[in-house]
Amino acid sequence: EPEVTQTPSHQVTQMGQEVILRCVPISNHLYFYWYRQILGQKVEFLVSFYNNEISEKSEIFDDQFSVERPDGSNFTLKIRSTKLEDSAMYFCASHSDSNQPQHFGDGTRLSIL
Amino acid sequence: AQSVTQPDIHITVSEGASLELRCNYSYGATPYLFWYVQSPGQGLQLLLKYFSGDTLVQGIKGFEAEFKRSQSSFNLRKPSVHWSDAAEYFCAVLSGGYNKLIFGAGTRLAVHP
Repeated sequence: EPEVTQTPSHQVTQMGQEVILRCVPISNHLYFYWYRQILGQKVEFLVSFYNNEISEKSEIFDDQFSVERPDGSNFTLKIRSTKLEDSAMYFCASHSDSNQPQHFGDGTRLSIL
Repeated sequence: AQSVTQPDIHITVSEGASLELRCNYSYGATPYLFWYVQSPGQGLQLLLKYFSGDTLVQGIKGFEAEFKRSQSSFNLRKPSVHWSDAAEYFCAVLSGGYNKLIFGAGTRLAVHP
């Protein structure tokens, strides 16, 4: 069964550095998402992406965050200047249309030192 | 605003016992509801979904859930729990036109032999 893949599984970065989290959604999917889960807290929506543009973003998704689909397969989340509070598990998700459920990757654990 | 409440943070059951995980939602229109499971170090796996129609929905791994509009609930059940069911379970509602998921805080299930 096709799946969403995320790399790396764990990223350790110094505060203030840029980080790029990578996702390969399922190939025929058109809608893409990033969520994050701070340790011990609930999964929170960050951003949705469709037709090569952001559809919706949360209050968390400030100017330090950006998303890109640089080619036909990858979907990336960039944090420009990381802060300690960016430490979390970041999940990528995708689906083919609004009547289908979202499929999640295994996540990238981001640790900011 | 839309929200999801999972009243039980931790639940412990014996293997072979029945299970019910509670979920209450707040949503103005007919909700699209989901249960996801997260095993340690893994991503979010879809157990089942409710979009419309029959209010009792069947999912994978022997799970089922019942949508009760009058109680704004979507409780997850399993008649006989297996040790491999130990995981964290998240209830979610689909929100808005751009399909973001709003998650509950999760219920961590422990299974005693």
